[in-house]
Amino acid sequence: ETGVTQSPTHLIKTRGQQVTLRCSSQSGHNTVSWYQQALGQGPQFIFQYYREEENGRGNFPPRFSGLQFPNYSSELNVNALELDDSALYLCASSPRTSGSWNEQFFGPGTRLTVL
Amino acid sequence: RKEVEQDPGPFNVPEGATVAFNCTYSNSASQSFFWYRQDCRKEPKLLMSVYSSGNEDGRFTAQLNRASQYISLLIRDSKLSDSATYLCVVNGAGTYKYIFGTGTRLKVLA
Repeated sequence: ETGVTQSPTHLIKTRGQQVTLRCSSQSGHNTVSWYQQALGQGPQFIFQYYREEENGRGNFPPRFSGLQFPNYSSELNVNALELDDSALYLCASSPRTSGSWNEQFFGPGTRLTVL
Repeated sequence: RKEVEQDPGPFNVPEGATVAFNCTYSNSASQSFFWYRQDCRKEPKLLMSVYSSGNEDGRFTAQLNRASQYISLLIRDSKLSDSATYLCVVNGAGTYKYIFGTGTRLKVLA
């Protein structure tokens, strides 16, 4: 069974640029959530995708957007990068079934540095 | 008040000690509770789910107290390899949003 994978592992961008991060969910998992983790903090929920639709969003501006594909993989796009966007971006997948609150399994993350 | 609060530590304990962490949450309608472990610069890994009746997995025991709105994690016979940050997770009531605490750092000393 393949776990959650993310690419790239590291990325350096400059202010104002755009970035796309990618995530492949664990086999059999249909739900993907994205988190931002700043140094010394817990992960902060960005949004979740289920069946290719956004299904819940945290307190992040619209320049954070995403997609989920039919194979359940997902992308996180961030436009107009700011210095404060520097963080570890984590993707988590879960085998969500109706009415349940499933455990989430995390990928290794993408470390984004904005200069 | 933060939705999920943890003592950041660090908790420095000798090998073999028993250590306990608490985590409080603000939303009484929260339904799911978890403990994750995170090593430095790595992703969080699920340690255990926390059920209403409590649960135990080897040296680890998790408890839920809905009346006082906290969950706890007890680690017995601490090992050097237990050194990590322990993250408390609560689901946002009525949503699929998972809310993490800032984590509690544990250092087990030889």
